[in-house]
Amino acid sequence: DAKTTQPTSMDCAEGRAANLPCNHSTISGNEYVYWYRQIHSQGPQYIIHGLKNNETNEMASLIITEDRKSSTLILPHATLRDTAVYYCIVRVGGNIPTFGRGTSLIVHP
Amino acid sequence: EAGVTQSPTHLIKTRGQQATLRCSPISGHTSVYWYQQALGLGLQFLLWYDEGEERNRGNFPPRFSGRQFPNYSSELNVNALELEDSALYLCASSPLTPLGREGAETQYFGPGTRLLVL
Repeated sequence: DAKTTQPTSMDCAEGRAANLPCNHSTISGNEYVYWYRQIHSQGPQYIIHGLKNNETNEMASLIITEDRKSSTLILPHATLRDTAVYYCIVRVGGNIPTFGRGTSLIVHP
Repeated sequence: EAGVTQSPTHLIKTRGQQATLRCSPISGHTSVYWYQQALGLGLQFLLWYDEGEERNRGNFPPRFSGRQFPNYSSELNVNALELEDSALYLCASSPLTPLGREGAETQYFGPGTRLLVL
């Protein structure tokens, strides 16, 4: 699976949008982009995934660039409960996902 | 729909003992993955089971082993425990994906078992 690069940490004001970037310049055509988050000492929580098109669900939006070399996870109205480590992963079914260090997002009042 | 469950939530052992951790996947999921997450570190892949077979193994010594039962639940066994085995052990499940098929395969994680080796 392609490797990803994420900023180590970010912060965001409560109520504002949190935009978390991910670089995956070596992604192959059949690899999906997944986002998970892990709140302290809990199991990772699936957020969203996409292949080429932008995706939106009740938790977040995923914007994938046209060349698919990068993506952005958007939490439209961040709350304190969104403070977590966010992982960006690229993989295709049947392969083992590689979780890097992720981005530690701190949402402050 | 019930999520992935793991037991026990916490486990305390001493060096040299054996630990058994259990995982029940989401109903209908046949693949089970095990990960180790030491304090402050990322998730390290341990084992992948699908349809009762071990499909892949991470870079861990043989004293880490497991199995998957006919009902798709799974056990992770750690023999001859060492202090550095202290970690959060996470299980994830995903729907059946025939080997070689390309596509989305979302993993859903359980809450984990925190193992402390003294």
